[in-house]
Amino acid sequence: GQQVMQIPQYQHVQEGEDFTTYCNSSTTLSNIQWYKQRPGGHPVFLIQLVKSGEVKKQKRLTFQFGEAKKNSSLHITATQTTDVGTYFCAGGGNYKLTFGKGTLLTVNP
Amino acid sequence: NAGVTQTPKFRILKIGQSMTLQCTQDMNHNYMYWYRQDPGMGLKLIYYSVGAGITDKGEVPNGYNVSRSTTEDFPLRLELAAPSQTSVYFCASSSTGTVDEQYFGPGTRLTVT
Repeated sequence: GQQVMQIPQYQHVQEGEDFTTYCNSSTTLSNIQWYKQRPGGHPVFLIQLVKSGEVKKQKRLTFQFGEAKKNSSLHITATQTTDVGTYFCAGGGNYKLTFGKGTLLTVNP
Repeated sequence: NAGVTQTPKFRILKIGQSMTLQCTQDMNHNYMYWYRQDPGMGLKLIYYSVGAGITDKGEVPNGYNVSRSTTEDFPLRLELAAPSQTSVYFCASSSTGTVDEQYFGPGTRLTVT
């Protein structure tokens, strides 16, 4: 079945540093979604990418979908303590999403 | 709109007991999902439903059952609880399947001892 790998598993940064998490699928994806889960909370939708090579920005967050629609990345510029949490990518296909294991981001103020 | 609600928030079960996790959404979404989340393991799909009366297995369905008699409700049944079912369970819903965002409930933290 479809597998979605996400790296790194953990990332600790100083406030103000940049952060990137990468997502790779074993198969071509119809779309990819990104979610954020704060500690003790539930996943919250951030964005969806559908087109090959698509790039979307949300303030300090930049999301990319690869040309082959098998990989994606989330980049945060100048991290803040409010960015702490686990970031998940999820590949879409056949009515359901396959989630990566997530990247836990911690930020040292 | 309450969104997706789940009850209970916490539960401790003894091995072999059974229970039902409740999930309700008030957004008139056709698609509903049950996930379990173990530390460092992401979200694994247990069961999903594309509409009332229709359910299907996800990645890890063993030990669980679901039903979908109404659009709003999607309960998850655990029969003969085992320690391996200790996890956090999330229910989610979406309007049009995987091309639409999923809205998650607050989760149920279950411990089986």
